[in-house]
Order: sequence, then C-alpha cells, then structure tokens
Amino acid sequence: EDQVTQSPEALRLQEGESSSLNCSYTVSGLRGLFWYRQDPGKGPEFLFTLYSAGEEKEKERLKATLTKKESFLHITAPKPEDSATYLCAVQRGSQGNLIFGKGTKLSVKP
Amino acid sequence: ETGVTQSPTHLIKTRGQQVTLRCSSQSGHNTVSWYQQALGQGPQFIFQYYREEENGRGNFPPRFSGLQFPNYSSELNVNALELDDSALYLCASSPRTSGNNEQFFGPGTRLTVL
Repeated sequence: EDQVTQSPEALRLQEGESSSLNCSYTVSGLRGLFWYRQDPGKGPEFLFTLYSAGEEKEKERLKATLTKKESFLHITAPKPEDSATYLCAVQRGSQGNLIFGKGTKLSVKP
Repeated sequence: ETGVTQSPTHLIKTRGQQVTLRCSSQSGHNTVSWYQQALGQGPQFIFQYYREEENGRGNFPPRFSGLQFPNYSSELNVNALELDDSALYLCASSPRTSGNNEQFFGPGTRLTVL
C-alpha cells in the first residue's frame, strides 16, 4: 500500500536555527514527489517537484532533496514568516492523484 | 494569469442535506482534482476530471459526485451529508502535459455539517 510518513509532526525553531523535515515514502512506480506549504485555513502552496533520486531543488531558504526512500526539506536560517505546515505528497506512475502525508507544523520564533 | 478559485469560502449545512462546491481551474489547465482535508490531516483524494470525464477516484462513497464543464471548471456534489463530511474541500488544477505533473490548489471551501 502506498504510504507517506512525515516527521516530526511539529517543530519549533528559533529564528536563524537551521533544521530539516523528513518525508518517508513507499510507493510503486514513483512519478514525482511534491512539497507544499500550507498556512492555516488556506490551500496548499506549491514549492517543489522532485522526480529522481539525487535530485535537489532550492528556493530562497528552502532546499529539497530526494533519495529512493525519503525526501528532506532543509530550512536554512528560518524566519518567522516561514511558520506554516509543510506537506509532502507522492504521485504514482499510473495515476494522477497525490498521496499526502499528515504534514509537519513548523513554528519559527523571533 | 488567474489562479484556482473556489466558492463559497465557507458553508454550514445540516445532516442529510446536499451541497455543491465550485471550482474554476487555472488558465490553461484542463485537469481538476478534488481533495478532502480533515483537521490536522493531509488532503485525501476524492476524484479527478480530465476533459469532462472522471479520470480516477479515491476511497469515497458514491454520494460524492462531480462534474467538469467545457471551460474546465468543476463542481463537487455531496448528498446525504454526514457529520464526518465536515472538512476543508480543496480543488487543484494541472496542465496535464507530459513531464509537468504539478497540481495547483485553490483556497478551499470550509464545510461544516451540524
């Protein structure tokens, strides 16, 4: 059964304190792995797509990496405005739907 | 470029009633997917529409149904509402082009069933 597990469930950081969020997955025929940011009561905002092991993508203070079993979202020197829930999702080769994890709720204190 | 829009923003219904939620896809996108997100959970796939045909369905009962129109906008209908249907309903559109699988989400409709 396809499964996506994110850890930790919640993470509290001080402003400037770098850290990483983990997304472990089991899926047959990975088509793509996606990272989204979601603010309370809003729809998910697209961040990155990763397609193959070894791939990396960066956007401002965020960097996403992918291996055959997991993905990491690295946050460098976070700011309070980075506080949000970060969702990881996978897409199987034969289907178009996304399978989401429960997310990691990130809080960055000034 | 206009993003994905959804209406209404919030909705309150009672058990047994029926509800229709609406979604306008992003310009140039011909595929629409619907997701249900319960509080504290990740979104769960309901179904997807491509060129007005259902193109995949998640583990939701038949009282969840949908439509896609020629302009690629879409509706989600839920009959015989239950308390557990209370959730944020998200619509996502994608361009359905080879190698481009990103789905872009709307702001969602918050449904409360009393």
